[in-house]
Amino acid sequence: AQSVTQPDIHITVSEGASLELRCNYSYGATPYLFWYVQSPGQGLQLLLKYFSGDTLVQGIKGFEAEFKRSQSSFNLRKPSVHWSDAAEYFCAVGAQGTDKLIFGTGTRLQVFP
Amino acid sequence: EADIYQTPRYLVIGTGKKITLECSQTMGHDKMYWYQQDPGMELHLIHYSYGVNSTEKGDLSSESTVSRIRTEHFPLTLESARPSHTSQYLCASSALKALGANVLTFGAGSRLTVL
Repeated sequence: AQSVTQPDIHITVSEGASLELRCNYSYGATPYLFWYVQSPGQGLQLLLKYFSGDTLVQGIKGFEAEFKRSQSSFNLRKPSVHWSDAAEYFCAVGAQGTDKLIFGTGTRLQVFP
Repeated sequence: EADIYQTPRYLVIGTGKKITLECSQTMGHDKMYWYQQDPGMELHLIHYSYGVNSTEKGDLSSESTVSRIRTEHFPLTLESARPSHTSQYLCASSALKALGANVLTFGAGSRLTVL
């Protein structure tokens, strides 16, 4: 069965520091992978997605993620965090032909000035 | 700028009341979804629809019901609310992409509190 693990419940970084949020998935074939961000009181916004091709994916707001099949990972990165990046981040996995996404439990990012 | 709208955003209601959470999208998407979100937990799919007159139950059992009479509208109803129904409910829609998995667009959510 598909599953997604986000090992870090809460991460705190200083503004301007680099960021990496971890995501590990379990799926028998090549998955479709997503990162969503949720600001307080809001719905989820798509940051980026991986379907195929280049394993380094660029998204909005300066985020990128790298698909590593050997590690079953799809970690999200940003070289320099801004205070407005404070939010909750969700990794999700889907499969071709399915309508359902499996979400991780999320990582809450706090940014200090 | 969301093209999917949920109302009410916040609702506090007493046990036993009937409630309907509204969800509308202006993108012409055929597929619509309801997810339930609790703090520290993953989002759970509770209902989805492929189009008009199509509704299916999701992975998480829910006492709520849905209907899809119009493409743009996918309301969720609880006939008799209970405290265990307290949660955030997120509506989403998607257009099937040729490559496969769907890219979901989410509404801002409806936070329900049942006293």
